[in-house]
Amino acid sequence: AQRVTQPEKLLSVFKGAPVELKCNYSYSGSPELFWYVQYSRQRLQLLLRHISRESIKGFTADLNKGETSFHLKKPFAQEEDSAMYYCALRATSGSRLTFGEGTQLTVNP
Amino acid sequence: ETGVTQSPTHLIKTRGQQVTLRCSSQSGHNTVSWYQQALGQGPQFIFQYYREEENGRGNFPPRFSGLQFPNYSSELNVNALELDDSALYLCASAPTSGSYNEQFFGPGTRLTVL
Repeated sequence: AQRVTQPEKLLSVFKGAPVELKCNYSYSGSPELFWYVQYSRQRLQLLLRHISRESIKGFTADLNKGETSFHLKKPFAQEEDSAMYYCALRATSGSRLTFGEGTQLTVNP
Repeated sequence: ETGVTQSPTHLIKTRGQQVTLRCSSQSGHNTVSWYQQALGQGPQFIFQYYREEENGRGNFPPRFSGLQFPNYSSELNVNALELDDSALYLCASAPTSGSYNEQFFGPGTRLTVL
C-alpha cells in the first residue's frame, strides 16, 4: 500500500522568510513524487516532479529515499505563493496518484 | 488547445438517487482518471480509463462506475447516493505517449447529497 503524509494542515510565514512544506511517503518500490498546487479559485495544477529536478517559481524539492521524504522548499516566500499544496505519489507510470491531505500555505505581508 | 472541462459545476441530490458527472479530456489525451475530494482532504483515486477500458480502480464500491467514449470524454456514475458521497469530483486527463505523463485536472463538480 502507498501512503502520503503531510503533517501540517496550515503553515503561515512572512514574506521573504524561508518556507518548507513537509511530505513523507510510504511505498516499497521506487515511486514518482509530485507537488501539486491549487491557488484560490483555480484548478489543481502540477508544480514540480522529482524526476525533473527543476526549480519552479523558486520552489525545489529533493527526494530523500532514506527518509522517504519529498519536502518542498523556497528560500524567500512571496505573497503570491499563498495556496493549498498537495504532495502526491505515483507507483508506476500512468497509474493512480495518491495524494496527501494538503498544506494550506499563507504568506503574510 | 482546450483544457479539461467538467459538467455540471454543482449539483444537489438526495440520498438514494443516482448521478452522472461528465468530463471532456484535453485535446490529444486518451487517459482519464476520476478523483473524489472530500472537504479538507486530498483527492482520492476512484478509477482510470484508457482507450475506453477501465485501467485501475481505487477503494470505492461498485456503485461508482464509469465510461469512456471514443472521443475520450468520460462519465462518472454514482448509484444509491449516500451522504458521504458529498464531495468535489475531479477529472484528470493525460497523454499516454512519452515519459512526461502529467495529469491535467478539470475544475471539478461539487456534489451535495442531502
